Amino acid sequence: ILNVEQSPQSLHVQEGDSTNFTCSFPSSNFYALHWYRWETAKSPEALFVMTLNGDEKKKGRISATLNTKEGYSYLYIKGSQPEDSATYLCAPLKTSYDKVIFGPGTSLSVIP
Amino acid sequence: DAEITQSPRHKITETGRQVTLACHQTWNHNNMFWYRQDLGHGLRLIHYSYGVQDTNKGEVSDGYSVSRSNTEDLPLTLESAASSQTSVYFCASSESGTGTYEQYFGPGTRLTVT
Repeated sequence: ILNVEQSPQSLHVQEGDSTNFTCSFPSSNFYALHWYRWETAKSPEALFVMTLNGDEKKKGRISATLNTKEGYSYLYIKGSQPEDSATYLCAPLKTSYDKVIFGPGTSLSVIP
Repeated sequence: DAEITQSPRHKITETGRQVTLACHQTWNHNNMFWYRQDLGHGLRLIHYSYGVQDTNKGEVSDGYSVSRSNTEDLPLTLESAASSQTSVYFCASSESGTGTYEQYFGPGTRLTVT
């Protein structure tokens, strides 16, 4: 089983604050990393799929970076809004046919 | 539009009963997955399939089984429901091949075992 860690477990920020959290994974046999956003009472939705060391992806105010050599990815949210409140999950894959196992997630609450 | 659906959306059953949760996707995806939502663990993988007649165990497969007789469907069966299996269950699908394909999730089935 791939050991995936996410930190912090939960985060409470004020509206307008920028925030970031981490996904850590074993650096050996890396193939790709998925980030998902999961709002309460809804289904998870894909944010980013990252493959190359040094990758940086951006979608609106959310961006992510990837370091495959040291085994981590950062997710950044600039100017957090209440609608950003969700659990953010990461899932590293070792091969193209690897089963997708998620980290425990970071729960973000943005206070208006 | 292509979609992935789950039924029923809510189910209450008694301990010891056999229960089957349906998952149907019209994306024509080869890969399908079943997860359960657990407090403190996020989503945990139960079973997955990479194509017709292919099934594999995930992290928490005990007490569950799946079968894949066609591309569109991956039903999840709880052989003898236990209270510990009360959870929200999500089905997902993705394309296959050498890409890095994101998963598309169904709306979830809330199962209560009394």
